[in-house]
Amino acid sequence: NAGVTQTPKFRVLKTGQSMTLLCAQDMNHEYMYWYRQDPGMGLKLIYYSVGAGITDKGEVPNGYNVSRSTTEDFPLRLLSAAPSQTSVYFCASSLETLALFGGAGELFFGEGSRLTVL
Amino acid sequence: AQSVTQLDSQVPVFEEAPVELRCNYSSSVSVYLFWYVQYPNQGLQLLLKYLSGSTLVKGINGFEAEFNKSQTSFHLRKPSVHISDTAEYFCAVRPKAAGNKLTFGGGTRVLVKP
Repeated sequence: NAGVTQTPKFRVLKTGQSMTLLCAQDMNHEYMYWYRQDPGMGLKLIYYSVGAGITDKGEVPNGYNVSRSTTEDFPLRLLSAAPSQTSVYFCASSLETLALFGGAGELFFGEGSRLTVL
Repeated sequence: AQSVTQLDSQVPVFEEAPVELRCNYSSSVSVYLFWYVQYPNQGLQLLLKYLSGSTLVKGINGFEAEFNKSQTSFHLRKPSVHISDTAEYFCAVRPKAAGNKLTFGGGTRVLVKP
């Protein structure tokens, strides 16, 4: 099982460039998330989606954009890269209907995309 | 809103010694509690979770955690660590209402020494 797949794993950008981080999941999960991880700061939520066509901002959305045209895919766009966006980015998904039946919607994470902006 | 504080950023420990990682949270609503582990250069994976019932929760790889509602804590323990437990550990909470998102602590890096 592939689970959550992120590409690329590594990327170096120059300030002002744009790029898209790809995320795909094959578990038919409704919810998908993008987090960034900075040393000592834990994970901060950038954007999330509760289903195809529905997205919403998290804690740190500035400088990013997302779309969700299918259940499987949730790309993250950096509009004009800045050094402050140097980070490790994680995509995750969860089956939220579990929460309606006493579950807790465990998150499944990809392996991360390490981005450096010079 | 919720917040999670992991009181130790780094914990060095010798192999076969016990380890405890501390986690305190703040929330105005009832929450689910989680511990995730991140091995070097990998994504996060679930270690254990507390939903309800018994306050002592057992997870994978011999880890357990105890929920203390009065102290709003969810400390993680392992009685005897292995080299392979070297990783970063994250405590997280989410409101019980469906559709809400996880809030993570800052992480605790565990380095197991031989």
